[in-house]
Parts: sequence; structure tokens; C-alpha cells
Amino acid sequence: GAGVSQSPSNKVTEKGKDVELRCDPISGHTALYWYRQSLGQGLEFLIYFQGNSAPDKSGLPSDRFSAERTGGSVSTLTIQRTQQEDSAVYLCASSLARVKYTEAFFGQGTRLTVV
Amino acid sequence: GENVEQHPSTLSVQEGDSAVIKCTYSDSASNYFPWYKQELGKGPQLIIDIRSNVGEKKDQRIAVTLNKTAKHFSLHITETQPEDSAVYFCAGDTGRRALTFGSGTRLQVQP
Repeated sequence: GAGVSQSPSNKVTEKGKDVELRCDPISGHTALYWYRQSLGQGLEFLIYFQGNSAPDKSGLPSDRFSAERTGGSVSTLTIQRTQQEDSAVYLCASSLARVKYTEAFFGQGTRLTVV
Repeated sequence: GENVEQHPSTLSVQEGDSAVIKCTYSDSASNYFPWYKQELGKGPQLIIDIRSNVGEKKDQRIAVTLNKTAKHFSLHITETQPEDSAVYFCAGDTGRRALTFGSGTRLQVQP
């Protein structure tokens, strides 16, 4: 596609339920990142996929959070047993990481609200 | 790991005035410093970047300066316009992992 696509754009879920957030990166981009942005706050790093390397999971806030990237393309971020503090905008970005220090393109984000 | 601090958190200027946003970083291995602009309801978008081998870069009304010795870099917007109103994020990149972002600056340009 023309850009990074995230779905759904908005998700309201009940506390305790699991949610899956999807990211379709730009075709050919080998690096994929997930960030979380709480209301009025900065971008909190969650996880980073780079080609076939083991992902950098150092930003995941708890074991309720996990992510996978299938076939080096689409990524899914899963949050189990959601809590109210998980409410935020989840942003995905991708980059052509074969070229070092290259632009990261962001999707429009998924706004998650846990009620 | 890298830590990026950004100031101010909010900035209000009159249309036509200049705006300056400053960032500091901790990891001397950082060699790439992009700036992103985020408009309401949208994802961040790159507006300018600078690599460690240069001290200044300009693109029309925006410029970025880098002082590697002091580990700080700044975004300068001249002749501000209402459409410049947005949240701006600086970031540092060591090339070893994902970008580390500053906490953001909400810029409001008053017409």
C-alpha cells in the first residue's frame, strides 16, 4: 500500500478482555516498530522487529503484551486481560532498515479505550 | 540505553515569530536525529532530520542544529504560520534499535 496501515482505527473493550491490533507496513520495509502514546504524552517504545533477527521486546510493559510479525510483513500486537491503564493510542511504524538511519513512517494509530 | 529530553513541553508564539525547540540526548553513539510533527488524530510525520556529520540543516522555514560535543540539538521554525500548530517530537537513533523519542512539544501559533 501507499503507507503504513493500522486497524482498527478505534477499539473500545471491556476490562479483562484480550485485544489484537494490526499493522500493515510499507511493502519492502524490513523494520517495524510499535509505540504507545498515552493522552498528551510522548512516544513510548514497545517492540522492534528487524528482518529475521530476534525482536527487541525491551519496551513491553508487562507479560500481558506480546507481538508477532508473520512472514516479515504484517504485525499483530496482542494485549491480554486489558486494564484501564492500557488505554492509549498504539502507533506502528516501518522503515527500510537495510539503509541505516532512514525515515520511519508511521500509521495513523489505533486508539484503544478500556472501559 | 538512549534517553532524549525535550523542552519546552508547550510553546505559544505569535504568527510570524520564530519558534525553537531543544533536545538533549545521553548516548554518544547516537548518529541520527529526526524531528517529527504530529497533527491531531494523525501519526507523526518526519519533517527534517540531521546526521552526526553535519552541524546544521535547513529546509525552507525549518532548520535543525546539532552540537555533538554538548549532546544537544534544536529545531528552529521561522515565520511561523497557524498550520505549524502541532506536537513536535525529537528523536535519537544509535542504529542499534528503535528510535528513542523526546516527550514532545505542543506548539501553538496564534494568528
